Amino acid sequence: QVQLQESGPGLVKPSQTLSLTCTVSGGSISSGGYYWGWIRQHPGKGLEWIGYMYNSGSTFYNASLKSRITISVDTSENQISLKLTSVTAADTAVYYCVSSYGVKDAFDIWGQGTMVTVSS
Amino acid sequence: DIQMTQSPSSLSAFVGDRVTITCRASQTISTYLNWYQRKPGKAPKLLIYAASSLQSGVPSRFTSSGSGTDFTLTISSLQPEDFATYYCQQSYSIPLTFGGGTKVDIK
Repeated sequence: QVQLQESGPGLVKPSQTLSLTCTVSGGSISSGGYYWGWIRQHPGKGLEWIGYMYNSGSTFYNASLKSRITISVDTSENQISLKLTSVTAADTAVYYCVSSYGVKDAFDIWGQGTMVTVSS
Repeated sequence: DIQMTQSPSSLSAFVGDRVTITCRASQTISTYLNWYQRKPGKAPKLLIYAASSLQSGVPSRFTSSGSGTDFTLTISSLQPEDFATYYCQQSYSIPLTFGGGTKVDIK
């Protein structure tokens, strides 16, 4: 069974870059699934799609964040990464690694989520 | 962007009640509609995909219908483990968007 586990710093200073890694176990990024990506949830708010990468390598980002996001995949490590530059307090959220793995066009696999706080 | 509007935003119900949650899209999304359940401290879980397909392992008391702009999620007989927040999500176009959520709690 495919599982996702996020890792990264829980505290980032304003204007710095938020970097998170998602390790995939129980399956291969390069040979399974439709796309891999990230979703976040601000405290007390709804879910916000950040972006994803298809197995083909094509990436799609939320335009509201597009200039600051990079999603990449390391197939040798079976990891997905997220980089978000120039963070502000508005980027404080729980960040989820997600996959459309067994179901096309739906997020059927979620990581547990990691809380990231932007504060000096 | 396609706006997803859920109603109600919260509801209280008894165990055994039939519960219906509505999700409306700001433009047609065909059947590109998914439902998720989220419990406190846990990641969301996919319940329904493509508007009406039950995800593997999800109890059959969860059903969903709709196409175009209007969708409903129904829990036929609410169980204690169903008290959670439910979200709809459209996968018709980028950016993917979610409804604001419906919190179901115990009456």
